Amino acid sequence: KAGVTQTPRYLIKTRGQQVTLSCSPISGHRSVSWYQQTPGQGLQFLFEYFSETQRNKGNFPGRFSGRQFSNSRSEMNVSTLELGDSALYLCASSDTGGPYEQYFGPGTRLTVT
Amino acid sequence: AQSVTQLGSHVSVSEGALVLLRCNYSSSVPPYLFWYVQYPNQGLQLLLKYTSAATLVKGINGFEAEFKKSETSFHLTKPSAHMSDAAEYFCAVSESSASKIIFGSGTRLSIRP
Repeated sequence: KAGVTQTPRYLIKTRGQQVTLSCSPISGHRSVSWYQQTPGQGLQFLFEYFSETQRNKGNFPGRFSGRQFSNSRSEMNVSTLELGDSALYLCASSDTGGPYEQYFGPGTRLTVT
Repeated sequence: AQSVTQLGSHVSVSEGALVLLRCNYSSSVPPYLFWYVQYPNQGLQLLLKYTSAATLVKGINGFEAEFKKSETSFHLTKPSAHMSDAAEYFCAVSESSASKIIFGSGTRLSIRP
């Protein structure tokens, strides 16, 4: 089986712009979770989607949003980018949802200038 | 609220020596506990998980961890370190199968020849 794929792998944006990141889960997996990883804050949970519904949400501002399509692919969007949004964004998929056997993608490195 | 504390942001051991990475958790209910490894420029890979079955959990690459409720600990060990074990290790906790994962701040493991 192919692993979790994330596109793009690297991205450079300017403050104030918006960005959309994509995550394709392992075939058959219905849950996709998103995490932000920064040197200062570490790994922080953004949100989880299961069967196209947001099931869990972390403590991030409304500028961070996501969605999941019927084929389980997920996108996350960050509007009005700030310098502090520079991070590695990781997505993880699982077949049952929740933390069981989450498989992580390689991440998208976002740099905001 | 659940939380995880990893003692030591950087651990260095000699090749062939015992690896011990410390993790303490806080949870108001019986937790699910995980250890993940992250190699440079990669996503996270699950090493092992505790989900209220056996307290001694064996994972991949020769790692194991023991759940000690009385000490609220879930330390990761490996009897003999290999150079390939050099990576960042994250301890994580979740309070239910459908809950978000809370990660510790990570421990960077270095292996001396």
